[in-house]
Amino acid sequence: ELKVEQNPLFLSMQEGKNYTIYCNYSTTSDRLYWYRQDPGKSLESLFVLLSNGAVKQEGRLMASLDTKARLSTLHITAAVHDLSATYFCAVDRTGNQFYFGTGTSLTVIP
Amino acid sequence: DTAVSQTPKYLVTQMGNDKSIKCEQNLGHDTMYWYKQDSKKFLKIMFSYNNKELIINETVPNRFSPKSPDKAHLNLHINSLELGDSAVYFCASSSGVGREQYFGPGTRLTVT
Repeated sequence: ELKVEQNPLFLSMQEGKNYTIYCNYSTTSDRLYWYRQDPGKSLESLFVLLSNGAVKQEGRLMASLDTKARLSTLHITAAVHDLSATYFCAVDRTGNQFYFGTGTSLTVIP
Repeated sequence: DTAVSQTPKYLVTQMGNDKSIKCEQNLGHDTMYWYKQDSKKFLKIMFSYNNKELIINETVPNRFSPKSPDKAHLNLHINSLELGDSAVYFCASSSGVGREQYFGPGTRLTVT
């Protein structure tokens, strides 16, 4: 069974600091996705990573993919309060089934 | 315009009842999905469906069944509801293999 693990599960950080969320997965996949979920809301797509070495950046968030290590990272630069949310990575195994990670609940403290 | 919509937003019902959740997408996508998010926020794929193929996660009880009247709709029917079915159910759609999925607002199901 495919496993997708995120680390850490909970993250509390001060505004202005940098941090990285890690996503490890247990089977070969060339596609990885990052989503954001605000409390009580739906999931919003952040990044789609489709090949080894892919790097994408949007604002203070940057995602990368290393398919050989089966690892993706989501790096947060100079965090602001608006980034507080739960972040999920997801791996696409068969082309039409996503397996989500455990989620990382991020709280940015002023 | 809402891309992926679900009804109802909230559903409270008693054990043993049968209920349906509706999902519609106006994105022209050919693949739709159902996910279950439990109280710990863990998301699990339940079904994926396009015109040709239904893929069922083998861990999903057969009390759950997707029904697709057309390409833009994928409804979720649940028979004999149990307490453990309480969760938030998300519908999603995508335009094909390897494409990002767009999620609906979710339906919070509470079984009493």
